[in-house]
Amino acid sequence: SAVISQKPSRDICQRGTSLTIQCQVDSQVTMMFWYRQQPGQSLTLIATANQGSEATYESGFVIDKFPISRPNLTFSTLTVSNMSPEDSSIYLCSVEGRRRGHEQFFGPGTRLTVL
Amino acid sequence: GNSVTQMEGPVTLSEEAFLTINCTYTATGYPSLFWYVQYPGEGLQLLLKATKADDKGSNKGFEATYRKETTSFHLEKGSVQVSDSAVYFCALSDRGDYKLSFGAGTTVTVRA
Repeated sequence: SAVISQKPSRDICQRGTSLTIQCQVDSQVTMMFWYRQQPGQSLTLIATANQGSEATYESGFVIDKFPISRPNLTFSTLTVSNMSPEDSSIYLCSVEGRRRGHEQFFGPGTRLTVL
Repeated sequence: GNSVTQMEGPVTLSEEAFLTINCTYTATGYPSLFWYVQYPGEGLQLLLKATKADDKGSNKGFEATYRKETTSFHLEKGSVQVSDSAVYFCALSDRGDYKLSFGAGTTVTVRA
């Protein structure tokens, strides 16, 4: 399986600011995803990060709030913009395994607290 | 659409007890099914998977069988250890749609 790292691992931010989270994979992957895990909740898919084109967002998530970049096949960033306390969550990136429709492998997550 | 319904927790057990976490699913196609585990303070790890009906996934003493007739994928372990304390998530991926749908998660605490 791919080795996935995320930066930062955690951060405490002020309301109204923005934070960019980085996701680095040790091999080229086609599909990369960003999830949010709110406190005590399950994981919710934010968007699919597409290489060379705009990300595909799920219902309830918009590009202005969560802009995503995917400059190559090993790297992606997620920005949480104009943050509020409701954005306090763990943000995780994942990559698809070798075959479509099979498992995804997750990064360690970024724990974000917004004051 | 796809959805996963998972047994609600929290579940508290004594060491060496038998663990079952129920999971049922709704899918439009022929999904792959997964159990992920999140240990305290750690990221999400794939525990086991099954990609077609009647497949049995197994890992670390845990097992789950893909039951198409009952649309279920229940997780079982015959003798739990304190180190099995974690949050367990059932998930599915429809082969026609790469997205993962997760259950709500079940918190399991094993006491010595």
